[in-house]
Formats: sequence, structure tokens, C-alpha cells
Amino acid sequence: QVQLQESGPGLVKPSETLSLTCTVSGGSVSSSTYYWGWIRQPPGKGLEWIGTIYYSGSTYYNPSLKSRVTISVDTFKNLFSLNLSSVTAADTAVYYCARLPFRPYNWFDPWGQGTLVTVSS
Amino acid sequence: EIVLTQSPGTLSLSPGERATLSCRASQSVSSSYLAWYQQKPGQAPRLLIYGASTRATGIPDRFSGSGSGTDFTLTISRLEPEDFAVYYCQQYGSSPQTFGQGTKLEIK
Repeated sequence: QVQLQESGPGLVKPSETLSLTCTVSGGSVSSSTYYWGWIRQPPGKGLEWIGTIYYSGSTYYNPSLKSRVTISVDTFKNLFSLNLSSVTAADTAVYYCARLPFRPYNWFDPWGQGTLVTVSS
Repeated sequence: EIVLTQSPGTLSLSPGERATLSCRASQSVSSSYLAWYQQKPGQAPRLLIYGASTRATGIPDRFSGSGSGTDFTLTISRLEPEDFAVYYCQQYGSSPQTFGQGTKLEIK
């Protein structure tokens, strides 16, 4: 079955850009059936949708983060990526990648295990 | 943006009891586009229910979802020890899709 794995630096300095990759195995990011998304969870807090991408490159972002977020897809490497610019301590969170069926706004299943990113100098 | 409010914040029950978790939306959720997730410490959320009432693959039938419009419920008919966790609802009927703040189900 499909598995997702996040990777990237665990520590990012304030004002810099957070960059994460989600590698997909057991399935293809080029599937026309699925979309691919990012969600984050600050320590001890709830979940926030960041954005979603389709294999064609179409993107859908949370308006609260849209000015700082870029999500891209690499169909050759079977992965998709998140860039979040001008980070502050408020961006410290566990970042998850996940799959969405059929629509850019849908339930998330499955999820990656998540990766903690801390913003600190 | 649709705000989801979950109640109670914490629910203390014993194994074998019935759990009822509520998720109320600030506006009607179109087409019952509501999902429920379970999250255990240090783990990613796990999809339980989508479309307000459809169980995800492999989810035991003691989990059930109901509701429409602005009021949704997750029911766990008989609690097993592994069910004690945090539960989140999510609406995906309108953008941005949003999550509730969670209900912690703890052992009494």
C-alpha cells in the first residue's frame, strides 16, 4: 500500500525558508485519482491544512499561509515538496504530508509519520 | 472559513462504556463533507470516518459517525483500551478545509 515519508531539516532559523520533501512509495504521485497535501501541528495543538497539489502542478493553498507557501511536485522522483518562507517561531510544528482522493479538498489518508521542524536561532 | 468546535474538550470513560463526541460547525458543511481522525501520542492522525458516516478501510464497526448540516457526532459503542486517544473532526466542503481543536478521550 502507499506510504509517505517526510524529510528535511529539523531546525530552521527565523526569517529563512523551511523546505520539506514527501517521498511517495507503493504508489505514484502522477495518479489522476489523487491529490497530495501538507498539514501541520504545533506542539500540543491542533491541525492546520497548509496546501494541496495535483500531479499537473495545480495548487491550492490555505489563505492564511498563501503569501509564504509554495508546493511543487516532481513526477520523475515521485515526490512533492513544501517551501515556507520568512518563518517565525509560530511556524514550529510537526509537518505531515498526506494523500487526498479525487478532489483538492477532501479527507487525508494515509499520512506520513510527520517531521518536527523547530524555528530558532 | 468554517470553524469547527468539538466537545467536550476531555472525556473520561472506562473501557466497555459508550463514547459520544460532538463536532459543531459555524456554517453548514456541504454534502456532509466531514471526516473524523484518531491520533495517539507521537503518531500521525488516522482516518476513521469520511462523508460523515462512512468507515474507512479497516476501521472496526464500533466506530460510527452521524450528522449533517452543522452538527456531527462520532460514537464509539464499546470502548477498547486502544481507543483512548485524541479525536479530530475535519470539514472539506469548503476552502480552507479546517479541523476542530480535538477531544481527548482518557481512561477514567
